[in-house]
Amino acid sequence: NAGVTQTPKFRVLKTGQSMTLLCAQDMNHEYMYWYRQDPGMGLRLIHYSVGEGTTAKGEVPDGYNVSRLKKQNFLLGLESAAPSQTSVYFCASIQGTEAFFGQGTRLTVV
Amino acid sequence: DQQVKQNSPSLSVQEGRISILNCDYTNSMFDYFLWYKKYPAEGPTFLISISSIKDKNEDGRFTVFLNKSAKHLSLHIVPSQPGDSAVYFCAASNQGAQKLVFGQGTRLTINP
Repeated sequence: NAGVTQTPKFRVLKTGQSMTLLCAQDMNHEYMYWYRQDPGMGLRLIHYSVGEGTTAKGEVPDGYNVSRLKKQNFLLGLESAAPSQTSVYFCASIQGTEAFFGQGTRLTVV
Repeated sequence: DQQVKQNSPSLSVQEGRISILNCDYTNSMFDYFLWYKKYPAEGPTFLISISSIKDKNEDGRFTVFLNKSAKHLSLHIVPSQPGDSAVYFCAASNQGAQKLVFGQGTRLTINP
């Protein structure tokens, strides 16, 4: 019972590099979300998807892009990483109003 | 514009006593509220929730109270145990929008 799986778990990027974070869920949930957690800021919504092929902006979308080509996968892309994107990223899938989270990706941009 | 606020970054409680974590919200469209618990290096996990049609929900040692007129909810943990030491996030949603908005979190430490 994997639930929500995020890869990678850790990554260090140089400013200007690009990368993609992968979120996979095996619960057949329609709704998937990307959050970032920063000290004193809680969890802030970056982008979300209400179904395969759909995406929408959250509170802090700038600098990120997402894609939901398959229902079970939600990808978060950073085209040109900046130090301000140093954070812990959490993916979640939602059934009803309960969110199931992955273990997080700790990203450092130097 | 913080729609969900947890004004206490940290709370320290003696083992066996009651822990009370508070949360305020500003959006009157929110109709469902949840508490999540997070240990270091793990994702948040669901703890307890309450619908806006209720003012109290209880699950074992955990009780959530909702005061809609004050736009305030609280989580009570009785008795507090060392394993309760974690960061607690309050979250709110408008079920029609299917988005969860989180507070900043409160770090709870239970002292032996």
